[in-house]
Amino acid sequence: DVKVTQSSRYLVKRTGEKVFLECVQDMDHENMFWYRQDPGLGLRLIYFSYDVKMKEKGDIPEGYSVSREKKERFSLILESASTNQTSMYLCASSVTGTEASPLHFGNGTRLTVT
Amino acid sequence: AQSVAQPEDQVNVAEGNPLTVKCTYSVSGNPYLFWYVQYPNRGLQFLLKYITGDNLVKGSYGFEAEFNKSQTSFHLKKPSALVSDSALYFCAVRDRGSSSASKIIFGSGTRLSIRP
Repeated sequence: DVKVTQSSRYLVKRTGEKVFLECVQDMDHENMFWYRQDPGLGLRLIYFSYDVKMKEKGDIPEGYSVSREKKERFSLILESASTNQTSMYLCASSVTGTEASPLHFGNGTRLTVT
Repeated sequence: AQSVAQPEDQVNVAEGNPLTVKCTYSVSGNPYLFWYVQYPNRGLQFLLKYITGDNLVKGSYGFEAEFNKSQTSFHLKKPSALVSDSALYFCAVRDRGSSSASKIIFGSGTRLSIRP
């Protein structure tokens, strides 16, 4: 079974802090994703990476950056946290080359910015 | 523009009764269609997908989904609901012509509540 592990389940940070959310997958997947989940809005893609050091902006990249130095690890960085970034953050991975490959999600990190 | 609609924020069903969670989409061409489930304090789990062929797709936990091309719908169904089916359900669509795995659109989610 694919395992996607997000390092923190809950985080509380102050406005203006730099925040790192870490995600590791153990199945050698090429694709990794960071989503934000808010009630009534579903999942919105922040950033996507299709290979080491490669990334694409998603629908809502403003205020975020990412890092993928190793295939198994994809980090989301909030450069200067703001209260409107309080949300549930979900990491996911998928394999390339398999038709309609489903996403495998971590359990999420609930971030509160005060 | 591509979109996915889950018209019901919440669906309430008695245990043992059939359930339906609705999903309609607007995508050019023939899409890949997915259902995911999210239990409390967990990430999303893949339930089933439609690629091609039979319009009725079977998935995990006894769920199935019916693809209807003319109505651009992909409703999730189960013949007999269990209390343990209570969760948040997401429909997702990916344009078959898209070369990027990132072009997946999620619906806003439907909360399914099964009463004993």
